[in-house]
Amino acid sequence: KNEVEQSPQNLTAQEGEFITINCSYSVGISALHWLQQHPGGGIVSLFMLSSGKKKHGRLIATINIQEKHSSLHITASHPRDSAVYICAVETSGSRLTFGEGTQLTVNP
Amino acid sequence: NAGVTQTPKFRVLKTGQSMTLLCAQDMNHEYMYWYRQDPGMGLRLIHYSVGEGTTAKGEVPDGYNVSRLKKQNFLLGLESAAPSQTSVYFCASSYPTHHSNQPQHFGDGTRLSIL
Repeated sequence: KNEVEQSPQNLTAQEGEFITINCSYSVGISALHWLQQHPGGGIVSLFMLSSGKKKHGRLIATINIQEKHSSLHITASHPRDSAVYICAVETSGSRLTFGEGTQLTVNP
Repeated sequence: NAGVTQTPKFRVLKTGQSMTLLCAQDMNHEYMYWYRQDPGMGLRLIHYSVGEGTTAKGEVPDGYNVSRLKKQNFLLGLESAAPSQTSVYFCASSYPTHHSNQPQHFGDGTRLSIL
């Protein structure tokens, strides 16, 4: 069993839909990261959180430390949101363990 | 401000050849990392460095060596390339996150094919 599990692996939505991507982990962590990988391959950090909830524009990330679970929500999805979304957990020494990613496709 | 720059962006090698991937960051980050990304798998840590002159093994270090002679540069070497090392390689850098609460910054990746 992977230390970091994401679901779903693939997600197709229509423009405007509310999207949720889930991440579960099995180890003790100091923080959880959500990243976005564009079709061209570049990776950017979206959120880094250790408790509660963070919001940036149409993106919201939540974490429940007791349940070892995090969700990434996208409100009013748009085709430009199409990308791979990656969950990663931070353990000791700022090291990250990554999930396999969720491929999101938003159709116009 | 260029961030994290990886060179080259693409490379094709023959089995047994050697090469070095260069990562340079201009953000004065202490920590630097090399990852590989393979289909159906998450990013995996190859080697990392917590400061100039120091390196450590990650999850999949075999077949790779690294050096951090200058704070801004982190080199990944393949001494004798094997087809199993065909992958996309990403470099990242960060401050120690327990001090800064800031995430890692990634380069654009190097696509490496070993024939």
